Amino acid sequence: GAVVSQHPSRVICKSGTSVKIECRSLDFQATTMFWYRQFPKQSLMLMATSNEGSKATYEQGVEKDKFLINHASLTLSTLTVTSAHPEDSSFYICSARPPTIRGLVGGYTFGSGTRLTVV
Amino acid sequence: GENVEQHPSTLSVQEGDSAVIKCTYSDSASNYFPWYKQELGKGPQLIIDIRSNVGEKKDQRIAVTLNKTAKHFSLHITETQPEDSAVYFCAATPRNYGQNFVFGPGTRLSVLP
Repeated sequence: GAVVSQHPSRVICKSGTSVKIECRSLDFQATTMFWYRQFPKQSLMLMATSNEGSKATYEQGVEKDKFLINHASLTLSTLTVTSAHPEDSSFYICSARPPTIRGLVGGYTFGSGTRLTVV
Repeated sequence: GENVEQHPSTLSVQEGDSAVIKCTYSDSASNYFPWYKQELGKGPQLIIDIRSNVGEKKDQRIAVTLNKTAKHFSLHITETQPEDSAVYFCAATPRNYGQNFVFGPGTRLSVLP
């Protein structure tokens, strides 16, 4: 089945530094990938849609200058949290959709998530 | 836009009993409804899905039912086991492939041994 790999799984950084999270589709090409943020005991909130070869589309309220997204290839999207602050501490998850079958919508495949702690 | 509600928010059952989680959606154009299981510290995993052209789908101990008229769908887990303990999310997606999924708020299922 389709696999999405996400790294690192856990990262601790100091306030003011930047952190990069990678999301890779291992056995399929993904022109579109999605980045979610999840606070404890809450649902997934879509942050942005990463489009290969073009600018990402950010959801309302998400600062694009703070959460930089780069989708440079069909198998890799990166999320960089810039000038991190303690309130950026959260669980970040990426996902991608494998190619559709007969044009039908299919399920997301999620990465394993990245636990970011800003101290 | 689409709005997905999910109930209950928490559910405890005895091992071997059944568990049912219900979701409602608002957009009648939605036509694909996946269910995801998320274990602590991990990303969500697709466990079953259903399309709007069928009313029920089953995969071993897991089944999903869909009532398009009422705009609700349910996850049924039979013969629950402790390893079923996790957070379950339902989602709905509109007919347009380019549109994103909308997730429900999640249900924390605890299966007590």
